[in-house]
Amino acid sequence: KQEVTQIPAALSVPEGENLVLNCSFTDSAIYNLQWFRQDPGKGLTSLLLIQSSQREQTSGRLNASLDKSSGRSTLYIAASQPGDSATYLCAAPSGAAGNKLTFGGGTRVLVKP
Amino acid sequence: NAGVTQTPKFQVLKTGQSMTLQCAQDMNHNSMYWYRQDPGMGLRLIYYSASEGTTDKGEVPNGYNVSRLNKREFSLRLESAAPSQTSVYFCASNNVRNTEAFFGQGTRLTVV
Repeated sequence: KQEVTQIPAALSVPEGENLVLNCSFTDSAIYNLQWFRQDPGKGLTSLLLIQSSQREQTSGRLNASLDKSSGRSTLYIAASQPGDSATYLCAAPSGAAGNKLTFGGGTRVLVKP
Repeated sequence: NAGVTQTPKFQVLKTGQSMTLQCAQDMNHNSMYWYRQDPGMGLRLIYYSASEGTTDKGEVPNGYNVSRLNKREFSLRLESAAPSQTSVYFCASNNVRNTEAFFGQGTRLTVV
């Protein structure tokens, strides 16, 4: 059974500092891993999808890495801004056909001006 | 650019009432999902449909039924609502293994 863990549950940083968000998963036989952002009272917005054949995926100030052998993914957000304040969730496929998404509990980020 | 559309956005039910949450996607995705999100519990999968005509139970299926009406639409039904079903419900879709999952804006359901 896939289990996904995100530590820490909450993080507070001053504006301009780089953010490092961690995600670990137990079943390394994954096709991909996805990072999402959720603002309070809103739905989930997809940030990055990393396929199992990739080690990194970049979008603007966001960079996500994937290490299947160690069961870890890391989301880096460069030069954080107050607008980056949100909850960040990672999700890994689970089930025999990999057709279910199991989510971590999320990391709530506050970027202080 | 609709993506995944859920209706309604908010609903209050009395214990024992029934209702159906509707979800539609316009991205030609094969797979669709229903999740609930509760404080401290994260996102939990209720039911999913890997393709048109198939549905499977997730982690927390009790008290719910689903229908994959066609490739676009996937509905979630509460036959007899209970206070424990007070939650925010999200619908999502993707093409398994290949594409990102996209989520609707959620339905905030309160059962009193």
